[in-house]
Amino acid sequence: AQRVTQPEKLLSVFKGAPVELKCNYSYSGSPELFWYVQYSRQRLQLLLRHISRESIKGFTADLNKGETSFHLKKPFAQEEDSAMYYCALTPHRTGGFKTIFGAGTRLFVKA
Amino acid sequence: KAGVTQTPRYLIKTRGQQVTLSCSPISGHRSVSWYQQTPGQGLQFLFEYFSETQRNKGNFPGRFSGRQFSNSRSEMNVSTLELGDSALYLCASSLAEGAGGYTFGSGTRLTVV
Repeated sequence: AQRVTQPEKLLSVFKGAPVELKCNYSYSGSPELFWYVQYSRQRLQLLLRHISRESIKGFTADLNKGETSFHLKKPFAQEEDSAMYYCALTPHRTGGFKTIFGAGTRLFVKA
Repeated sequence: KAGVTQTPRYLIKTRGQQVTLSCSPISGHRSVSWYQQTPGQGLQFLFEYFSETQRNKGNFPGRFSGRQFSNSRSEMNVSTLELGDSALYLCASSLAEGAGGYTFGSGTRLTVV
């Protein structure tokens, strides 16, 4: 069965410091991976997905199939990055899709 | 274009009652998924609908059910409510099954007393 693990419940960094939110997954096939973000009092929203290989708000994430990881990185954290971040996995198979979310990591960027 | 709309935003029900939650996806989105979000369990998958068919179901009891209409709007129903059903219920839509990521609604906050 597929699983998404975010080992850190809370991550606290200073403004301007690099940040890395960890995500490890288990799935035997070829998944599609996502990062979602939820800012205070806002709805959950898609941040980025691995197949796009894009940088959104300075964040990037690289899929490492060997380590089954999809860590989210930003070289210089900003206070407005403080939010809840969720890693998610959608398995590629027929017969319906069941996107699984990790437990989430709360990022707190201190001034 | 309008986002994913969930109604009602808040709901208070008594144990044993039943409840129906509604979700209108983004226009053109045919896939709708439902999640239960709680502080202890995080986001738990309930079910996914595509073209009026339930395509996948999570590990929830039969008291949880749903349906999707021809206009892609979806409803979920919980019967015989229990205190543990208190949660934020999120609806998410996508253009096609599992494709491209979700757009989420604001959720319905259900409190069972």
